[in-house]
This record gives sequence, C-alpha cells and structure tokens, in this order.
Amino acid sequence: GAVVSQHPSWVICKSGTSVKIECRSLDFQATTMFWYRQFPKQSLMLMATSNEGSKATYEQGVEKDKFLINHASLTLSTLTVTSAHPEDSSFYICSAPATNYGYTFGSGTRLTVV
Amino acid sequence: AQSVTQLDSQVPVFEEAPVELRCNYSSSVSVYLFWYVQYPNQGLQLLLKYLSGSTLVKGINGFEAEFNKSQTSFHLRKPSVHISDTAEYFCAVSDPSGYNKLIFGAGTRLAVHP
Repeated sequence: GAVVSQHPSWVICKSGTSVKIECRSLDFQATTMFWYRQFPKQSLMLMATSNEGSKATYEQGVEKDKFLINHASLTLSTLTVTSAHPEDSSFYICSAPATNYGYTFGSGTRLTVV
Repeated sequence: AQSVTQLDSQVPVFEEAPVELRCNYSSSVSVYLFWYVQYPNQGLQLLLKYLSGSTLVKGINGFEAEFNKSQTSFHLRKPSVHISDTAEYFCAVSDPSGYNKLIFGAGTRLAVHP
C-alpha cells in the first residue's frame, strides 16, 4: 500500500518550454506532497510542500513563478517547470506522508533541458 | 533547526563483509529518524525508521540501526553485505509534531566489491 506514481520518468525539453511532472497517490489520499530536487551525486533538497486545496509553501530560494505546484485533488499533485533552462536539469522526486509516519516516494523524473 | 550529517560520502566494502554507515543529527526537539536506499535513477525506498521505543531498529534486507540519544547518532549496519546492496543510502530526520518535511543527509555511496 501507499504507492505514489510519478510521471514521466524521463523528459527532454527545449530551453524555454514548460514541463509538467505528475504525482498520483494510487491507494491512499495524499493531503500533503513534498517536492524534492536532486543534483547528480547529491542529496535531496526540499523545494516545496503542497497541500490539497491551498497554495504551496516554497523553501527559501525556490522561485515560485518558475516551479508551479498544483494540488487540486487528494490524489494528484503536479510540478510545472516553466520556461525551463539547462540549469533546471535535475532529478525531481515527490513524496507523500503515508501511514505510521512513513513517507512514500515517487520513482523520480529525470529532466534534461537542451 | 534540524540537520543531518553523514560522515562518509563513500564506503567501499567486499562482499560478505560487515558494514556500518554513520549518521549524526542535531535537533533541539525529539525527532523521528529514517534510513532510505536509492538505486540509480529511482526514488527512495525505506529501510527502517525510529519513532520511539527500542533503540535497536530492524529493517528490510538485513539492515538494522541503533538510535543513540546521548551521541545523537543513528548508524546503519549490516553484518554481511551483498553485491546488490550497492546503492546510495540517505539518513533523514523529521520533526514528530505532524507530517513534517524530511531533512536528508548528503548520502553515503555503498560500493560492494566481489
């Protein structure tokens, strides 16, 4: 139980375009979703926390207008990277609290901006 | 503020040897502690977690960790490693007052050699 499905796994886009990443909770309701970014050989850095039906809370230094987060339902949270540039290339991972203080993670999205 | 320090960025070990991956944390409040494993281009899988109770926590794949409050440590151990244990391991901490964000350490690359 407590599975988060993240799509796409890989995406390549041209500089200046936007990319949407989806995370769906398959067998539970995710009222909260955490979005992380991971650079190669580095740790996970929290970008923002989304809560269903309300605005996301962004960590210091994360551009709200560039990384748009929507959590419109209890089973879907999306991250849109707007006007992507090569420096946005990274591995993005979502995570939702599960039962008994566990956290379940999506499989990640490798974004490459060319 | 909470923080996590993983003392070793890389740990090389031979197959069937024991291994210990070190993790220290700092926090002004009580915490929940986690160890996750990440295989290349994948999300994170929970190995084990400490919430309360017994300080020795047993997890999946033969891993265990011991919570030491006086030393603020939560080291991960396995008595005999396999090639398949080669991966990135992350220690994380969260504030137990609700489903708060996870703070991750920098990660330790475990490389098991035949």
